[in-house]
Amino acid sequence: AQSVTQLGSHVSVSEGALVLLRCNYSSSVPPYLFWYVQYPNQGLQLLLKYTSAATLVKGINGFEAEFKKSETSFHLTKPSAHMSDAAEYFCAVTANAGNNRKLIWGLGTSLAVNP
Amino acid sequence: ETGVTQTPRHLVMGMTNKKSLKCEQHLGHNAMYWYKQSAKKPLELMFVYNFKEQTENNSVPSRFSPECPNSSHLFLHLHTLQPEDSALYLCASSQPKGQANYGYTFGSGTRLTVV
Repeated sequence: AQSVTQLGSHVSVSEGALVLLRCNYSSSVPPYLFWYVQYPNQGLQLLLKYTSAATLVKGINGFEAEFKKSETSFHLTKPSAHMSDAAEYFCAVTANAGNNRKLIWGLGTSLAVNP
Repeated sequence: ETGVTQTPRHLVMGMTNKKSLKCEQHLGHNAMYWYKQSAKKPLELMFVYNFKEQTENNSVPSRFSPECPNSSHLFLHLHTLQPEDSALYLCASSQPKGQANYGYTFGSGTRLTVV
């Protein structure tokens, strides 16, 4: 079984500051991990994904995430926040093998970027 | 344009009405999904269709009735809804369900309000 915990439902940063959104997962099998972003009044858009290749994954809009098995974490970072990064961010996990490939979602983290 | 188109974007309906939500994708995907997104709750997977066949129904009340006439189109028929059914309904598509590493492509959603 899999589960996802996103630490902090709201994160606020200044424009130009580091963005760090935390995601910890639990999985009884090797996982696939995803970050999605949802802008206001939009659906979810895939930011990046970890599928057992490189542990440091680069995504769109300057975001990246690092898979750390020892810490069961997949935190999302961006060196310098932009106003347009204000959105809701969701972490999700699924198994990378077996028949049950259901995506398990976190509750989301709302990112505010202050001028 | 995300590749997955949902109509209508907004819908207000009375509890005795019958309406339908439509989802269309031309990405060549074979799996399609209905999700319900409510405030402060994880994304709720409602239905899964794989190659036009329903493969999951996650205990969804019968007042929600899905239809998948082909791999490109998905409908959600609504009747005698309750106010607590008000939410954002998201459609998504992916490669066949067993290939979770591809991630999902989401539509922009239908904001449903039941009055």
